[in-house]
Amino acid sequence: GENVEQHPSTLSVQEGDSAVIKCTYSDSASNYFPWYKQELGKGSQLIIDIRSNVGEKKDQRIAVTLNKTAKHFSLHITETQPEDSAVYFCAASLYNQGGKLIFGQGTELSVKP
Amino acid sequence: ETGVTQTPRHLVMGMTNKKSLKCEQHLGHNAMYWYKQSAKKPLELMFVYNFKEQTENNSVPSRFSPECPNSSHLFLHLHTLQPEDSALYLCASSQDPSHTGELFFGEGSRLTVL
Repeated sequence: GENVEQHPSTLSVQEGDSAVIKCTYSDSASNYFPWYKQELGKGSQLIIDIRSNVGEKKDQRIAVTLNKTAKHFSLHITETQPEDSAVYFCAASLYNQGGKLIFGQGTELSVKP
Repeated sequence: ETGVTQTPRHLVMGMTNKKSLKCEQHLGHNAMYWYKQSAKKPLELMFVYNFKEQTENNSVPSRFSPECPNSSHLFLHLHTLQPEDSALYLCASSQDPSHTGELFFGEGSRLTVL
């Protein structure tokens, strides 16, 4: 089955700096890769996702890159702000697998003012 | 507010107790899920329900018993739990059970087993 590894487990950056979180997956058939943000006391929310037919996707300060050959994908947050502080989870699945997302271990991002 | 509400938010129970976690979604979705989140571990998929029918049981011990009376409600009945079952239990829903669309998570129920 699929296995997703996420690094680092914790990340601390200064406000305005960039943050990068990396994930690797094991099943080459996986074709859907979402990123979720979990803020303290709130439910996890999808912030960006990418499908295997594209290599990069951007949404304002957030971008995700996918390298299918190497089986890894990354989340990039530019111009970080204190409100970006949260736990971020990557996940992988087959698009037709009914929500069977396999998640990484999570990265606790702390943005210091 | 994601449209998925979980109660209780916190629960402390002894190993011999019986309790239940409740999840309700107000999004008109057809699929609902239970995930377990333990410290420093990935979210673990426990159960999947599509149109009220259980379609996935990810080798979960029988001391966890799910119930889905309708597409909007999902329960997790707990009995004779172990201390290692202490975790954050997350409910989620999605629109289309046959495709991996966006999951909408509740805030979770923090369970402590003494």
